[in-house]
Formats: sequence, C-alpha cells, structure tokens
Amino acid sequence: SYELAQPSSVSVSPGQTARITCSGDVLSKNYARWFQQKSGQAPLLLIYKDTERPSSIPERFSGSSSGTTVTLTISGAHIEDEADYYCYSATDNNLGVFGGGTKLTV
Amino acid sequence: QVQLVQSGAEVKKPGASVKVSCKASGYIFTSYYLHWVRQAPGQGLQWMAIVNPASGVTDYAQSFQGRVTMTSDTSTSTVHMELSSLRSEDTAVYYCVVGFDNYDVWGQGTRVTVSS
Repeated sequence: SYELAQPSSVSVSPGQTARITCSGDVLSKNYARWFQQKSGQAPLLLIYKDTERPSSIPERFSGSSSGTTVTLTISGAHIEDEADYYCYSATDNNLGVFGGGTKLTV
Repeated sequence: QVQLVQSGAEVKKPGASVKVSCKASGYIFTSYYLHWVRQAPGQGLQWMAIVNPASGVTDYAQSFQGRVTMTSDTSTSTVHMELSSLRSEDTAVYYCVVGFDNYDVWGQGTRVTVSS
C-alpha cells in the first residue's frame, strides 16, 4: 500500500520556524501538495508541485523536497497558523494518498 | 467562479447505501479529474476515488474497492458517489475536489451518519 508519514504534532512559539515533514516512496516520483485545515473548515491548498505557492498564500509558507521526503516550512509562525496540516501525493496508477496529518501548535 | 455544490446530509442504517452528488460549475467539467475525499470525526483526510468526467473512467482506493461507485453525468456536470454496505466507521464528511494547476476547489462537504 502507498503511505505518507507525518509527525502527529509539532509545537513552536510565535515567530519561530515550524517544519513539518512528509515521507513516502511515492514522493520520489510524484509531486506533493500541502493543505492546511482549521477546525470545521475544508482544507486549503498551501503548496503544490512540492515548492510552488498559490498567490493567495502568505510567503512565510514554503515547501521543499529531497528524495522521498518533502517539508513544509512556516517561517515566523503566527498564532493563526495553528491548524492541522496534511501532505498529499498521487501514485503511479492515478490513486491519491494523504499523510496522517500534523497538528501544529503555536 | 468555480464551484462544487454537494447534496445534503444523510443518515443511514448499517448495511444501507448512500449516494452523494457533486454539481460542478464555472469551468469545463470534462477537462479536469474530480476526486472524493472523506474525513471521519476527529480523524485525518482519506482519499477515496478519482473520476475522469469525460470518459467516466474511475479509480478507487483499495480500502473502498467493491463498495464505492462513481458516475459522471456530463449533461448536468454532476458526479455521483455511491457507497454501499455502510458501517458505523463510514460516518464522515465526504468532499468532492477538483484540482487545477495551482489551486483546488472543494465542495462544501456532505455529512453522512451511519447509525442504527
């Protein structure tokens, strides 16, 4: 089965840098997306194609990739960044897979 | 603007089936794949299935094989997702999602409750 592994929780103080990793074999051949989800809301796309950011997303959110691991970095975390974060990728046979999610506490 | 509007909440008994619809507007329906994703209470996101609206070709996550069926109606720009043999663990919010190059659009979610 295809799996993406994320830490269950990350905690930083306001203004610090938060890094959330996502690991899985599919990432060596397929792009990742990152989503932010706040309580009671639909997920919001933060990063696509490993490193690209939609124009509406603040610059403090960035993505990077190395081998089978992608990383979401929040530079100078704000209190309002407290949320659940999910990575997502597609497999070679067109299936999708989400990471288990990371709860960020700021 | 691009919109995905889903059908309303459902309450079903164990063993029953549920059919959730997703009506698309604001883009060329047959040009983009549409996904279904669900989220059980207090749990993470789970990818379920994908459909090519133009051809009707579908792919399903292994954990739903044999229980889920997606159909596409190009005349109404609507995709339907039917989940059968419902059990309590299927209680969740079900989302349809369309992905473009640099953004996604999610439906508002449909809450499905499975309870005897």
